[in-house]
Amino acid sequence: AQKVTQAQTEISVVEKEDVTLDCVYETRDTTYYLFWYKQPPSGELVFLIRRNSFDEQNEISGRYSWNFQKSTSSFNFTITASQVVDSAVYFCALLPSGGSYIPTFGRGTSLIVHP
Amino acid sequence: ETGVTQTPRHLVMGMTNKKSLKCEQHLGHNAMYWYKQSAKKPLELMFVYNFKEQTENNSVPSRFSPECPNSSHLFLHLHTLQPEDSALYLCASSQPSGVTEAFFGQGTRLTVV
Repeated sequence: AQKVTQAQTEISVVEKEDVTLDCVYETRDTTYYLFWYKQPPSGELVFLIRRNSFDEQNEISGRYSWNFQKSTSSFNFTITASQVVDSAVYFCALLPSGGSYIPTFGRGTSLIVHP
Repeated sequence: ETGVTQTPRHLVMGMTNKKSLKCEQHLGHNAMYWYKQSAKKPLELMFVYNFKEQTENNSVPSRFSPECPNSSHLFLHLHTLQPEDSALYLCASSQPSGVTEAFFGQGTRLTVV
């Protein structure tokens, strides 16, 4: 069984603060994929990143960075110098490779960035 | 614009009405999904179609009836809904291999009165 836990229901920060969104997953598969999505108030989930289980390199994209640690089954997402436009609900998701193509989503973390 | 278009964006319907939600994608994907997102609840997978065949029905009540006439279009037919069915209904598509990310539409905000 797959499980994704996003323990932080809501995070509130002031603009320019750094913020880390936690994601912890459980799976018995040895090969899998992890994703982060952003859901702004407009509704659609926007894909941010995909990470393979065999690639533990951290990734940075502008103000966004991701820390994948297989040893602790975590795939955390950090926004540096947050901006009001970062306010959204962020979802972490897990997809086992081979067979199922149905991702398991976490419950999401609502990030509110105040000006 | 993610390439997945849902119509209508907003819908208010009575419990005795029949309506349909539409989803369209021209990304060349062969897997399409319906999700329900209620306030304060996790994203719930409802149905999955793979190459036009329904491959997943996540114990969804029969008042929700999906239809996938081709790989580009997905419908969700609604009839005799309940107020608790009010939610954001999201459509998504992906490659059926399962190793790629899903692309989501903006959703239909449904209110049942």
